[in-house]
Amino acid sequence: QKEVEQNSGPLSVPEGAIASLNCTYSDRVSQSFFWYRQYSGKSPELIMSIYSNGDKEDGRFTAQLNKASQYVSLLIRDSQPSDSATYLCAVDTSGTYKYIFGTGTRLKVLA
Amino acid sequence: KAGVTQTPRYLIKTRGQQVTLSCSPISGHRSVSWYQQTPGQGLQFLFEYFSETQRNKGNFPGRFSGRQFSNSRSEMNVSTLELGDSALYLCASSLAGSTGELFFGEGSRLTVL
Repeated sequence: QKEVEQNSGPLSVPEGAIASLNCTYSDRVSQSFFWYRQYSGKSPELIMSIYSNGDKEDGRFTAQLNKASQYVSLLIRDSQPSDSATYLCAVDTSGTYKYIFGTGTRLKVLA
Repeated sequence: KAGVTQTPRYLIKTRGQQVTLSCSPISGHRSVSWYQQTPGQGLQFLFEYFSETQRNKGNFPGRFSGRQFSNSRSEMNVSTLELGDSALYLCASSLAGSTGELFFGEGSRLTVL
């Protein structure tokens, strides 16, 4: 079992719709969770971080964390073609100074 | 504020050669991490340095090594290159390296022929 799992996609959504991206992790002691966006040919950039159970909203983005289910998700409201990218889930293995990344979900927003 | 700078951006080597990649972190960031990114495996952790000390190392062979200097700049070295080492090597810096945000450089794309 991989430490951080994501559906590779592609996930296709029409412009203006909500895109829902999911991630599960295996290490129960993980404390910090991140979503990175990576455009083709570019490096990852951080879009959301979440540390406690519940929802965290930032503009059109909402991160959701459920530590009991070892599940973290990212919702993108009013999806735009510019949101088309690969979204990487990352988990901080607490105390080891090491982030584990999922292989990413490719999102395509159709105009 | 300048971002993370990686050099060189692109390089081509042949099997058996060695390569050194450089990373200058964001000013004030003392933690530098290195990741290998390939289409099949995604981002794989190589190692992390803080104040010139390696605090963790990923599951890579000993051919992969790194170091950090007193100004927080870091280098990684790959010796005896293999075809499978072809990848994008990403450097990321953060303030302290744990529970903090990673800021990535543009990467060094290595092709091994």
